Amino acid sequence: DTEVTQTPKHLVMGMTNKKSLKCEQHMGHRAMYWYKQKAKKPPELMFVYSYEKLSINESVPSRFSPECPNSSLLNLHLHALQPEDSALYLCASSQGAGPVDEQYFGPGTRLTVT
Amino acid sequence: AQSVTQLGSHVSVSEGALVLLRCNYSSSVPPYLFWYVQYPNQGLQLLLKYTSAATLVKGINGFEAEFKKSETSFHLTKPSAHMSDAAEYFCAVSERTNDYKLSFGAGTTVTVRA
Repeated sequence: DTEVTQTPKHLVMGMTNKKSLKCEQHMGHRAMYWYKQKAKKPPELMFVYSYEKLSINESVPSRFSPECPNSSLLNLHLHALQPEDSALYLCASSQGAGPVDEQYFGPGTRLTVT
Repeated sequence: AQSVTQLGSHVSVSEGALVLLRCNYSSSVPPYLFWYVQYPNQGLQLLLKYTSAATLVKGINGFEAEFKKSETSFHLTKPSAHMSDAAEYFCAVSERTNDYKLSFGAGTTVTVRA
């Protein structure tokens, strides 16, 4: 099984809502990632978890809060978002967080903030 | 910081023609380089990666790339384009921070004409 699953596929939320994005993998990978991708742009790294510990935070605003409850699960909690946060949010995982570890991407959650 | 530059934001080829996507890197140390493909409404998929073993790297779906240190390039080619190759292609370099992270180029959109 080389699949990374993400739920929901689509999410529309108001600026005062609280919602969560979920990502799951069962490949035994020990590194997991959140990316944000705007239309016609490359993915931008937001967070990296390595062995369930946050190892990279790319100066992401605190309205985005990641959580890694166990090695298979990664959540992204959203609160008080802005319309400019509308984007495709991609989750990825890799065996480790080394230089040649292949990242496997999920299909993404398309988020619209109204 | 390491980075990659993709030359040409859009490439149009005829079915059966050569596909050539250009990527140049800037690095003071031997880089680890990747090509990813993103089909519409999907996540990214690894095509191939360079890890300083062979300079000619073969990937999936008939793609290959050649690492040329003298030209600081890692161009992606496919001898004969297929309609299914229409997608967005990203070159990426592995960059060391706390752990390694991928830095992506701006991307090249490939369209295939019948």
